[in-house]
Amino acid sequence: DQQVKQNSPSLSVQEGRISILNCDYTNSMFDYFLWYKKYPAEGPTFLISISSIKDKNEDGRFTVFLNKSAKHLSLHIVPSQPGDSAVYFCAASGSGGSNYKLTFGKGTLLTVNP
Amino acid sequence: DADVTQTPRNRITKTGKRIMLECSQTKGHDRMYWYRQDPGLGLQLIYYSFDVKDINKGEISDGYSVSRQAQAKFSLSLESAIPNQTALYFCATSDTKRAGGKLETQYFGPGTRLLVL
Repeated sequence: DQQVKQNSPSLSVQEGRISILNCDYTNSMFDYFLWYKKYPAEGPTFLISISSIKDKNEDGRFTVFLNKSAKHLSLHIVPSQPGDSAVYFCAASGSGGSNYKLTFGKGTLLTVNP
Repeated sequence: DADVTQTPRNRITKTGKRIMLECSQTKGHDRMYWYRQDPGLGLQLIYYSFDVKDINKGEISDGYSVSRQAQAKFSLSLESAIPNQTALYFCATSDTKRAGGKLETQYFGPGTRLLVL
């Protein structure tokens, strides 16, 4: 039972264009969401997060949007750069007793072509 | 940065062998985690530790054990390795003290690639 779903295994965009990575979740108890980026032979690195009390969080070229009613979040990268090519993981956590646990999606491989 | 280190980075072992993967952190975080990643899958939680005396099973703890030797060290053992434990293993840390107990961002080590023949 996948509670966090990234339905696109891969995405290819041109340099300078917008990259949009999507993530859906099913657990209504999730209230904190994160995006991680992972390069080959490295561990995931934290990119950006959003709390459920917000619907948008922006950090430079990266913006995360949260639609709680649709249980959907997305990561926008504008403009995309070749160095953004990596696997992006969406993760979610809940409050209360499960606040230790991050539930990860399977990841989306982003390729930014020069 | 190298705040979370894992040793070894790569390991080949044979079925039935006992092996240990080690994780150290200099971030001063209280919580530590072990995950595995299989190709095409997300990260699955094996064990987690809130502090030195608090260790808990995650989603896929069978065949694994852990030891939290100190706040900064958290090791993962495969008691008798089997081929389907071939995977990428990640250690992670988080700091709940600053956030009053709410989940903080987890920070990952570089990973250990394990091959069980």
